[in-house]
Amino acid sequence: GAVVSQHPSRVICKSGTSVKIECRSLDFQATTMFWYRQFPKQSLMLMATSNEGSKATYEQGVEKDKFLINHASLTLSTLTVTSAHPEDSSFYICSAVVMGGEQPQHFGDGTRLSIL
Amino acid sequence: GQQLNQSPQSMFIQEGEDVSMNCTSSSIFNTWLWYKQDPGEGPVLLIALYKAGELTSNGRLTAQFGTTRKDSFLNISASIPSDVGIYFCAGRRINNAGNMLTFGGGTRLMVKP
Repeated sequence: GAVVSQHPSRVICKSGTSVKIECRSLDFQATTMFWYRQFPKQSLMLMATSNEGSKATYEQGVEKDKFLINHASLTLSTLTVTSAHPEDSSFYICSAVVMGGEQPQHFGDGTRLSIL
Repeated sequence: GQQLNQSPQSMFIQEGEDVSMNCTSSSIFNTWLWYKQDPGEGPVLLIALYKAGELTSNGRLTAQFGTTRKDSFLNISASIPSDVGIYFCAGRRINNAGNMLTFGGGTRLMVKP
């Protein structure tokens, strides 16, 4: 149980392209999903918290117009990196959790984004 | 963002040896979690600790929630090559909106066959 699917697993695209990453909870309803960014040999850094049906809460220093988050259903959240540039190249990971419970976050397999 | 103090940063051990890593914080957490991350993949939950003083095992893994609620350790006994990876601790506070986690910097484990 508690499977989180993330797609695509890898994206390589040109500078200026917008890239959409999907995060799905496959066997549970996730009222809250989280988006993280991880640079090589570093820990996970929280970018934003996504609650179903409401606006995402962004961490300090994360541009909300750059990283668009949509959580339209209880099983799907999307992160769109708009007009991506080489400095946006990173490993993006989502996680999901059922609000109000003791259950820990379960993570997707991540998306490796490479901007040329 | 805030991180927990996780040590050691890396370990290179012989297969069969035991491994110990820990996390400390200046703040209190209500839950401690330990994750393992393989290259190119997302973290996978190993052990979750919910009560101060709790000692929990999962196979060759044992983790404890410190009594002060400011620390936790993870032990791996009789290490094997597939234990290679990065281990992260994560703390969660009960009053955090949305179940947010604070992560340690990670411990990179390398096992020599």
